[in-house]
Parts: sequence; C-alpha cells; structure tokens
Amino acid sequence: QLQLQESGPGLLKPSETLSLTCTASGGSISSTTHYWGWIRQPPGKGLEWIGAITSSRSTYYSPSLRGRVTISVDTSKNQFSLNLSSVTAADTAVYYCARLAFGLPRIDYWGQGTLVTVSS
Amino acid sequence: EIVLTQSPGTLSLSPGERATLSCRASQSFSSSYLAWYQQKPGQAPRLLIYAASIRATGIPDRFSGSGSGAEFTLTISRLEPEDFAVYYCQQYGNSLYSFGQGTKVEIK
Repeated sequence: QLQLQESGPGLLKPSETLSLTCTASGGSISSTTHYWGWIRQPPGKGLEWIGAITSSRSTYYSPSLRGRVTISVDTSKNQFSLNLSSVTAADTAVYYCARLAFGLPRIDYWGQGTLVTVSS
Repeated sequence: EIVLTQSPGTLSLSPGERATLSCRASQSFSSSYLAWYQQKPGQAPRLLIYAASIRATGIPDRFSGSGSGAEFTLTISRLEPEDFAVYYCQQYGNSLYSFGQGTKVEIK
C-alpha cells in the first residue's frame, strides 16, 4: 500500500521560500503509470492544484503559480519536492502531496497534509 | 481554463436520504477527465469516482457518478452517517488539474 508523507517547515516569514518534501513508501516514484503532484488548501477553503512532475522530470504547473513554483524529483530517495518562492500570507495552507494517474486522470493517493503558515 | 461550479454550496439531508450534487463546467470536455473526491474534517481528500462514472477501489456502490459534456452529477443513493462531508469535483485538461469549490453535505 502506497504511503506519502510530507515534511518541511511549518512556519515561514513573508518573502521566504517554502520547501516541502514528500517521501513515498510502499511504491516507486519511478512508476511509468503515475506521476507526482502537490495540492494545497487554505484554512476553511477549497482545493488548489499546484503542479506535478513525472519520474522523467517533465513538469506541469498551475498558471496562477507559475514563476514562483518548482517541483523536483529524486528517484534515488523515492522523494519529490516543492519549492514556492516569495511567499505571502495568501500561501498559508495545508499542503498535500499526491499520486496522479495517467490515462484516466485522477489523484488516487494523498499524503496526510502539512500546514504551512506564513506570518511575520 | 475550464472553471467548475458546484451546486448547491450546502446540502442539508437526513441519513437514508438521496443526495444529488452537481458540477457544471464553463465549457464541455471529455467525461474521461472528471473525478469526484470526498473530504472529511482534518483528513485528506479521498478519490470516489473517476472518468465521471467509475468507482474507485473500495468505494461503496451507493456512490455513483454520471454526466457528460459540461454537466456532471454525483449521487449518493442512501446517505450513511459517514457520508456527511465535503465533496469536490475535479477536471483535467491541457496537462492541468482544477477543482470545483466544493459541496458540503450536512446532517439536517
């Protein structure tokens, strides 16, 4: 059974860079049938897709965050990571890492989520 | 960019009743690219339905999805106590994902 676990700082100051890592266990990041993504949810609000990466390092980013977001993958560690630069209070959210399926697109596994707060 | 609008915002029902949730898109797209998720407080979302009508592994058959073009529906035939939650539809297009704003199903 695949498990995904987010890790990283929970508190940032405005203008800093958010860096989170997702570690996969029970499955391989090198899958050819799935790829890996990040979704966030501000407190009390809905879901926002951030972006995704394949094991061959093709990346896809939300237009609203493109320019600030970078997703990378480390297949040797079975991890993928999110960097979001120049954060503001509007970036305060629970950040989820997830597995996305090719073919019939869907998000079939989610991490438990980690709250990142941006505050001075 | 396709915008998904879910209605109603909140649905107040009793256990045993039928729930019908709507997801309307700003333009038509393939039903293969529509999914539904359930989220309970403090938990990550859970995949319920993909390709508009295929139940994910382990999802009870009281959950069903239908629709095509720009109109999609999630139906819960008989609400169980554990079904009271927020439901999101999600669309895929041009290598990007987007979500509706959610429908909360609450106990009446």
